[in-house]
Amino acid sequence: GEDVEQSLFLSVREGDSSVINCTYTDSSSTYLYWYKQEPGAGLQLLTYIFSNMDMKQDQRLTVLLNKKDKHLSLRIADTQTGDSAIYFCAEIRGGKLIFGQGTELSVKP
Amino acid sequence: DVKVTQSSRYLVKRTGEKVFLECVQDMDHENMFWYRQDPGLGLRLIYFSYDVKMKEKGDIPEGYSVSREKKERFSLILESASTNQTSMYLCATKLSGADEQYFGPGTRLTVT
Repeated sequence: GEDVEQSLFLSVREGDSSVINCTYTDSSSTYLYWYKQEPGAGLQLLTYIFSNMDMKQDQRLTVLLNKKDKHLSLRIADTQTGDSAIYFCAEIRGGKLIFGQGTELSVKP
Repeated sequence: DVKVTQSSRYLVKRTGEKVFLECVQDMDHENMFWYRQDPGLGLRLIYFSYDVKMKEKGDIPEGYSVSREKKERFSLILESASTNQTSMYLCATKLSGADEQYFGPGTRLTVT
């Protein structure tokens, strides 16, 4: 399809792992991105992965990339209430950032 | 740190009014963008600018125009606001040749 797809909502309990999934469209994207939007704020770059990598780990964050299926995921270990936010995946297409719909992560104590 | 500021966090306007949303950045970035964010639709690109006095239409430019008279400032103009332009508006900037975009805090516009 034409769109970058994400599920809209995810709810987890504090301390559990969260996995946010994304399907992108452009196999020629050099980088793929995860942005985080906290309530009432703009977007901040959370992490990114170079397209020739399968996995990238950064403290509690793990990004997995399956190029064959054009599938990107973000795993947050030991999820905290402060991780509650909207998470956007994004690809570069035609020189522009194309965002998914955003996944709203809700962390329950 | 890159700082991107937007003139208002919340704005309420009436149908038919002319609305100006301002974005200012302090890092000398060439590229600036205006998006609108709606639930379930993610971010959609309205207009962008590669340099002073240059502008390009994004995916949903209808009903909007932009102005870039100075490098640090990118204005989004709603010539005649309509209720379907009620949304969160996000400004972003980036360096030419880089991919990472830096976002402002957003302006939540309500058109009544």
